[in-house]
Amino acid sequence: GENVEQHPSTLSVQEGDSAVIKCTYSDSASNYFPWYKQELGKGPQLIIDIRSNVGEKKDQRIAVTLNKTAKHFSLHITETQPEDSAVYFCAASILTGGGNKLTFGTGTQLKVEL
Amino acid sequence: DGGITQSPKYLFRKEGQNVTLSCEQNLNHDAMYWYRQDPGQGLRLIYYSQIVNDFQKGDIAEGYSVSREKKESFPLTVTSAQKNPTAFYLCASRGEIQETQYFGPGTRLLVL
Repeated sequence: GENVEQHPSTLSVQEGDSAVIKCTYSDSASNYFPWYKQELGKGPQLIIDIRSNVGEKKDQRIAVTLNKTAKHFSLHITETQPEDSAVYFCAASILTGGGNKLTFGTGTQLKVEL
Repeated sequence: DGGITQSPKYLFRKEGQNVTLSCEQNLNHDAMYWYRQDPGQGLRLIYYSQIVNDFQKGDIAEGYSVSREKKESFPLTVTSAQKNPTAFYLCASRGEIQETQYFGPGTRLLVL
């Protein structure tokens, strides 16, 4: 089955700096890659996603890049703010009749310091 | 107000007891999912259902059971066979033509 690895497990940046979180996946058939943000004690919220036919997607301060050949994808947050502090999860799935099961990375605790 | 609701927010289980976690959605989504989250780990799939009256095991189904009698509801029962039930349980749903899974607020299960 699919295996997703996520690095780093913790990341501390100064306010205004950029943050980058990286994930690799094992199943070349995976074609959908969402990123979720989870605040303490709450459910994950989708922040951005990308399909395998696209190499990069951007939404204001957040961008995701995908390298299908290398089987890795990354989350980029620019101009970080204290409210960006949370746990971020990457995930991968195959958009077919298999129920769109998501395989998650182990998460990155992002801390934005003033 | 549309969305996914989970109840209760906190649940305590005694030894040998079965407990049921509720998940309800009013988004008219066909697919529903249950995940387990442990500290320092990602979310792991317990069960999922793509349509009413049908469900499939995920990666860690042992010790759990589900039912899908209504489109809006997908309750999860943690049975006494689950020896390590303490975790944060998350329910999610997805529309038929959508790619995205949307999550509820979660239920934290603790063992007394």
